[in-house]
Parts: sequence; structure tokens; C-alpha cells
Amino acid sequence: DIQMTQSPSSLSASVGDRVTITCRASQGISNSLAWYQQKPGKAPKLLLYAASRLESGVPSRFSGSGSGTDYTLTISSLQPEDFATYYCQHYYSTPYTFGQGTKLEIK
Amino acid sequence: EVQLVQSGAEVKKPGESLRISCKGSGYSFTSYWISWVRQMPGKGLEWMGRIDPSDSYTNYSPSFQGHVSISADKSISTAYLQWSSLKASDTAMYYCARHQAGYNWFDPWGQGTLVTVSS
Repeated sequence: DIQMTQSPSSLSASVGDRVTITCRASQGISNSLAWYQQKPGKAPKLLLYAASRLESGVPSRFSGSGSGTDYTLTISSLQPEDFATYYCQHYYSTPYTFGQGTKLEIK
Repeated sequence: EVQLVQSGAEVKKPGESLRISCKGSGYSFTSYWISWVRQMPGKGLEWMGRIDPSDSYTNYSPSFQGHVSISADKSISTAYLQWSSLKASDTAMYYCARHQAGYNWFDPWGQGTLVTVSS
């Protein structure tokens, strides 16, 4: 099984900050990576797929990059509505696995 | 609008059986897979398994194989997650999500079904 290691597990930041979250796969996953945002009491929401492709309707301040085993999610200028938990997920092969999550909190 | 609507919250006792549902609308139900994802209280997301509603082919995460069963009724565009004997450790929120062969990111997700198992 492919393991996903996400870091950091939590992050404090201010409105307007640029933040980066990292996800490392235990083997190459050929950009088969998605990022989700989850707010308390809500279902996860797709932000990006294929490592860098922005889902329709997602603000352009969200971006993704990476290749091979290492991937990043960047939020260029944090907005109040961005404080949430973020998960990466590989879909290279089954079983699909998620990173442990990054809780983004207001500083 | 593409939607997945899940059945309501359940409270069960250990040893009881349970089936929860996920109804798709706004798209061709047999053209997309449905996966189930567990989220235990305060924890992260775990993929449980998936089904192709066109032929009911399933595959499961090794962590959940033998503990749950996934099925679908394409005539009513509904997928199911079933337990034959619940345990307290099955207490969690369960989500269904749509994806497509070769494009296996999850979108959209159902609203979630909270399952509470307590004596």
C-alpha cells in the first residue's frame, strides 16, 4: 500500500499569509494526487486534482505542484474562509490513502 | 446538479446489523464509481472500498475487507454500506463519494451519515 505523509499536522497563520502544505508518498504516484478542504461538520470538498489542476469554482489563490513522490498545496493569500483542515489523497492504485490532515488555524 | 444524498444518522447496539445508503442524482449513476470513506471522531479520512454500479464489481481496503459489505442497486441509483455485526469501534461518520475510472478523485461527496454504536 502507498502511504501518504502530510506535514505539518497543524499550522497557525494570519489572514493574508502565504502557506504551504506538503504531502509525500511512499512511492511515485505520477501526479495522481488530490487535495480536499474540510470544515467542521461538513463533508470534504475537492480543491485540486492531478496534483495541480484547480477544480471548477475553487479560488485561484489555491495552487498545487509536485511530481514523483513530493507534492505541495499553496494558498497564496489566506482568507478567513480558508481556515479548515486539508487532506491530500493519492489515487494511483487501490487502496487509495489520505494524508493525516493539516489543521489550519487563525493566529 | 450532481448530488449524493445519504441516509440519516443511526444509533445501534453492538452486534446489530446496519445498512446505510447513498443516492446519486443529476448524472448517469452507472458511469461513475462510488467509494465509501470513514472518519472516526476527531480523526482523518480512511478509504474503505468502492463499487462500480454498472456491474457491482467491488474492491476493498485490506483494513476493511471482511468487516463491511458494499453493494448497489442501479435501478434506484443507490449504493449501500452494510455491517452484519456492529462494534463500538464502528462509531464514525461515513461518507460516500463519486469518482470515475481513470479519474479517481472524489467529487462530489455525500453529506455524511453518523453511525453511533453503543450499548
